[in-house]
Amino acid sequence: ILNVEQSPQSLHVQEGDSTNFTCSFPSSNFYALHWYRWETAKSPEALFVMTLNGDEKKKGRISATLNTKEGYSYLYIKGSQPEDSATYLCAQNGVSNYQLIWGAGTKLIIKP
Amino acid sequence: EAGVAQSPRYKIIEKRQSVAFWCNPISGHATLYWYQQILGQGPKLLIQFQNNGVVDDSQLPKDRFSAERLKGVDSTLKIQPAKLEDSAVYLCASSPWGAYEQYFGPGTRLTVT
Repeated sequence: ILNVEQSPQSLHVQEGDSTNFTCSFPSSNFYALHWYRWETAKSPEALFVMTLNGDEKKKGRISATLNTKEGYSYLYIKGSQPEDSATYLCAQNGVSNYQLIWGAGTKLIIKP
Repeated sequence: EAGVAQSPRYKIIEKRQSVAFWCNPISGHATLYWYQQILGQGPKLLIQFQNNGVVDDSQLPKDRFSAERLKGVDSTLKIQPAKLEDSAVYLCASSPWGAYEQYFGPGTRLTVT
């Protein structure tokens, strides 16, 4: 994998259901994987920064895991709420490189 | 702490016109980034400043785009003349020196007709 790829591109989820989506990234020269949430008309907001293989981070109902050997990260949302509707972006940066390489995002729409 | 400020929030111009965007980063943040995010794509880095010096502008279309960061604080990004394909959200982000996490402004949505 040469680029950061996210799937699916968009997702409709019923309120109360749990969901997850994927970020795939180059496993070579890896330093950190970032997850951001971007709500319409607001600033992208950092959710997690993960650096270690096997890392798992949690913030409320949202959690993320990291597999640096195979180059993927999962973002999980438990019990989706309407306020979770947003585009979720992941980005990767390499060692000694502060620049982020971004995926195209997963647009999540929660149906009441 | 105040966040990254950007203005305007929305702008509609005709092709071949000029436009400028302004960004005020978080106080004390040495690094400033300008991104272009076209619908359906991830943010693309246009230019990165470290204080008032340019670190990377390899993806900035220099025939029409220019950016400056006078005194290492505020920054402006200009497009002259605009093309239809410049329609996008222009995001500004800042970070402390040596940090990987970036803090974003709300962006400017540009529509070129």
